[in-house]
Amino acid sequence: GESVGLHLPTLSVQEGDNSIINCAYSNSASDYFIWYKQESGKGPQFIIDIRSNMDKRQGQRVTVLLNKTVKHLSLQIAATQPGDSAVYFCAVGGATNKLIFGTGTLLAVQP
Amino acid sequence: EAEVAQSPRYKITEKSQAVAFWCDPISGHATLYWYRQILGQGPELLVQFQDESVVDDSQLPKDRFSAERLKGVDSTLKIQPAELGDSAMYLCASSLRSEETQYFGPGTRLLVL
Repeated sequence: GESVGLHLPTLSVQEGDNSIINCAYSNSASDYFIWYKQESGKGPQFIIDIRSNMDKRQGQRVTVLLNKTVKHLSLQIAATQPGDSAVYFCAVGGATNKLIFGTGTLLAVQP
Repeated sequence: EAEVAQSPRYKITEKSQAVAFWCDPISGHATLYWYRQILGQGPELLVQFQDESVVDDSQLPKDRFSAERLKGVDSTLKIQPAELGDSAMYLCASSLRSEETQYFGPGTRLLVL
């Protein structure tokens, strides 16, 4: 079955620095990848997604990179702000459209 | 901006009691999902609806959990009887179609005593 892991459970960055959160997946048939942000006591909030026919996608201050060769994706946040402090989840989908979520990375932004 | 609505936001119950959660998806979204999220973990899918039909309930503990979406719009998730291990956040999400982005509601935090 699919398993999704994150490289670091906690990431601490200084305000204004760039943040990179990594995620590895196991199923090479996966073709949909999505990042969510979850603040304490709230539901996951969509950040950005990418399909397997792309290797990079940019949004406002965020970039997702997909490396299908090594089954790895990353979320880059530019000029990290205190409001970016949250748990970030990657989720992976395949032919069944069922999303498998990773365990999450806690991003702590230091002022 | 349209959002997924859930109620109640918090629920405290005693074990062996029945509980029910309600979800109203974003208008026009045909696909509705119920997830369970244990503290410190990612959400896990319990059940997926396409309109009023269940398309995936493989992870739903059917001896105690039930879900319905009778008119293909809002949905109810029920637990009867509740057990201590059911304490978790129950999240509802919806998407325009099954292959589209899933948007989550605020969740219902359940505590079983």
